Amino acid sequence: AQSVTQLGSHVSVSEGALVLLRCNYSSSVPPYLFWYVQYPNQGLQLLLKYTSAATLVKGINGFEAEFKKSETSFHLTKPSAHMSDAAEYFCAVKTSYDKVIFGPGTSLSVIP
Amino acid sequence: GAVVSQHPSWVICKSGTSVKIECRSLDFQATTMFWYRQFPKQSLMLMATSNEGSKATYEQGVEKDKFLINHASLTLSTLTVTSAHPEDSSFYICSARERENGAPQHFGDGTRLSIL
Repeated sequence: AQSVTQLGSHVSVSEGALVLLRCNYSSSVPPYLFWYVQYPNQGLQLLLKYTSAATLVKGINGFEAEFKKSETSFHLTKPSAHMSDAAEYFCAVKTSYDKVIFGPGTSLSVIP
Repeated sequence: GAVVSQHPSWVICKSGTSVKIECRSLDFQATTMFWYRQFPKQSLMLMATSNEGSKATYEQGVEKDKFLINHASLTLSTLTVTSAHPEDSSFYICSARERENGAPQHFGDGTRLSIL
């Protein structure tokens, strides 16, 4: 069965510092992987997706993620954090039953 | 593109009331829509998968008679919380997926349901 883990329920970075949010997945089939961002009292917005094309995926707002099959990881990065990046981030994997399983989420705080 | 509209965004009502939440895909056709429930500081919990023109598929532990789902067209799915009670208070989010294989889900902005 597919599953998603996100190491670190809360991450704090200084403004301008590197953002690294970790995601590991388990899947018995080649996965479709996604990163979503959620701002308070809002739905989820797609940041980027991996669908077996390039292993380095670029998304919106300067985020990117690298798919590493050997590590079963899909970590999200951004070179320089901005105050507006403070939000909840969810990694997700699409299952063989066409459902999407979400990780527990990582709350990102940006310190001025 | 790929906008999903969810309405209403906030509902406060008395216990025993039934509440309907609408989820619309505005600029694409969605054969499949999903309904999630999210508790504070937690991840999304899939409640059911809604397929246009057929019965919804509910996840284990979700009461079908409590959470009625209708997907009458390729752009609209509704979730009705019947005879709502305080324990049904939560944040409900819908999503819609385009037809292409591997297409991501696009989410509505959620509905905050508060039952008094």
